[in-house]
Amino acid sequence: QVTLKESGPALVKPTQTLTLTCTVSGFSLRTTGARVSWIRQPPGKALEWLARIDWDDNKFYSTSLKTRLAISKDTSKNQVVLTMTDMDPVDTATYYCAGLSSYFDYWGQGTLVTVSS
Amino acid sequence: DIQMTQSPSSLSASVGDRVTITCRASQSITTYLNWYQQKPGKAPKLLIYAASTLQSGVPSRFSGGGSGTDFTLTISSLQPEDIATYYCQQSYSNLYSFAQGTMLDIK
Repeated sequence: QVTLKESGPALVKPTQTLTLTCTVSGFSLRTTGARVSWIRQPPGKALEWLARIDWDDNKFYSTSLKTRLAISKDTSKNQVVLTMTDMDPVDTATYYCAGLSSYFDYWGQGTLVTVSS
Repeated sequence: DIQMTQSPSSLSASVGDRVTITCRASQSITTYLNWYQQKPGKAPKLLIYAASTLQSGVPSRFSGGGSGTDFTLTISSLQPEDIATYYCQQSYSNLYSFAQGTMLDIK
């Protein structure tokens, strides 16, 4: 059974850096073709794709956010980490990790991150 | 970047109705188009990938079509449990993108 689970702080202050971890179970991130993305959804708004990391360590970022994002993976822990710098209240959203093909057949439950002083 | 647009943004229909949602890409994405269903407070769920392939376990009343820039998601006979927001997403480009979604409710 494949599961993805996000973890990280529920509250961050403006200008701080957010670090989120996606732990994947039941599927190895070393598997050829494996891809994990981060997606966010502000309250009441649409889904927004943020970043993706592939099995071969290729990385891709949203054009509008690429200067603030970094994605990495730890294959020994089967985890994907997203960092987002210079957080602002408009970044308040539920953050999801999803994968594992070129479409999102598996999703985490999401983690709500609120940006507030 | 590839922009995705859905129409309508919201839709009311009766149980048993045939419902169609349209998705348009700003450039050709061949058939790299996926559809998701999201219910309130839940993560999205994959319904259809590669424009027309039904994900395992998804009811056959859902179907997808199209290629190039224009795509459709059709529910052949709307059921109460289909009330949700539907999103299309392109995976043609390495920079993925979603449309703004269609909220579907019961009339």
